[in-house]
Amino acid sequence: RKEVEQDPGPFNVPEGATVAFNCTYSNSASQSFFWYRQDCRKEPKLLMSVYSSGNEDGRFTAQLNRASQYISLLIRDSKLSDSATYLCVVSPDDKIIFGKGTRLHILP
Amino acid sequence: GAGVSQSPRYKVAKRGQDVALRCDPISGHVSLFWYQQALGQGPEFLTYFQNEAQLDKSGLPSDRFFAERPEGSVSTLKIQRTQQEDSAVYLCASSLAGSRPGGELFFGEGSRLTVL
Repeated sequence: RKEVEQDPGPFNVPEGATVAFNCTYSNSASQSFFWYRQDCRKEPKLLMSVYSSGNEDGRFTAQLNRASQYISLLIRDSKLSDSATYLCVVSPDDKIIFGKGTRLHILP
Repeated sequence: GAGVSQSPRYKVAKRGQDVALRCDPISGHVSLFWYQQALGQGPEFLTYFQNEAQLDKSGLPSDRFFAERPEGSVSTLKIQRTQQEDSAVYLCASSLAGSRPGGELFFGEGSRLTVL
């Protein structure tokens, strides 16, 4: 089993809709969790950290389920500018492990 | 500059050639990571430095890959006798965090290596 697994998509979603991605991880000792965003041919950039209690940043909500070892990202009222690849990131020990990413296309 | 700087941005090498990729992290950042990203894939971990110490090199795909950060700032990733499968974008990232990375990673724009 890969350390971090994501549905590669693409998710084709109409503008204004709500979309959610999940990501599963294999190392139960993982302590830190993040979502990064990567635009085409650009470097990844931090979107948000994921806390045990769940956290929200504007239209974005991230949640962690330690028992089932998955994290989720919910995007409400999606915008055209949300089109990107969303990378799930898990940090066990001193490593920072990226998933392969989920591609999101917001359709006008 | 304020961000992570990588050079060269683009490198075309003939198979068998040696290449060196440079990363200049954000000043004061303790942690430095190298990742390899193939087309359509997520970044794959290569190696991690805390200051000048290389704490984890388990992701380096073969002994042709070597990384160093001798003074705890600039890092160089060297690939000897390049092969076509080495073609990828090599991303460098730095983090202010120390022993247990938990802070934000700041990435450079990457070095795109094409091996012919």
